[in-house]
Amino acid sequence: EPEVTQTPSHQVTQMGQEVILRCVPISNHLYFYWYRQILGQKVEFLVSFYNNEISEKSEIFDDQFSVERPDGSNFTLKIRSTKLEDSAMYFCASAMWALRGTDTQYFGPGTRLTVL
Amino acid sequence: GIQVEQSPPDLILQEGANSTLRCNFSDSVNNLQWFHQNPWGQLINLFYIPSGTKQNGRLSATTVATERYSLLYISSSQTTDSGVYFCAAEGRETSGSRLTFGEGTQLTVNP
Repeated sequence: EPEVTQTPSHQVTQMGQEVILRCVPISNHLYFYWYRQILGQKVEFLVSFYNNEISEKSEIFDDQFSVERPDGSNFTLKIRSTKLEDSAMYFCASAMWALRGTDTQYFGPGTRLTVL
Repeated sequence: GIQVEQSPPDLILQEGANSTLRCNFSDSVNNLQWFHQNPWGQLINLFYIPSGTKQNGRLSATTVATERYSLLYISSSQTTDSGVYFCAAEGRETSGSRLTFGEGTQLTVNP
């Protein structure tokens, strides 16, 4: 069964450093998402992406964050200058279609980011 | 935006028992999904169920969209069912297709 993959599974970085989290969505999906989960809390939406542009972003997704689909298979989340509070599990998700009446969002296994 | 509330927050069962988890949502939905987060943190899709009833083995789910709630039933629970169960909904009035998650139900199944 096709699945969303994410790399790395765990990333440790120093405060102020840039990190890039990578995702390979399911191949025929067109809608891509990033969510995050701070330890012990619920999952929060960051951004959705369709047709090579952001379709929606949350208040968490400030200027320190950016997303990109650099080729036909990868979808990345960049954090420009990490802060301690960016430590969380970051989930990538994809869906086949997501207009009103949306399809299932499939989640990757997550990247655990630790900022020291 | 849409509000999603789950109950109970914690549930402890003996192996073999049945349970019902509830998800209330504040608006009409385009999408409602149930997930199981395993001890490794992975979010496992259980159901896509904006309305109606579905069954998958020992698990079943029902969403009554007109009354804005969904129920997840676990029958004959096993220790491997332990973990956090999340409900997530996309409100019909949102501009995009973001899922809003509830706080989750922490399920512990004891042998």
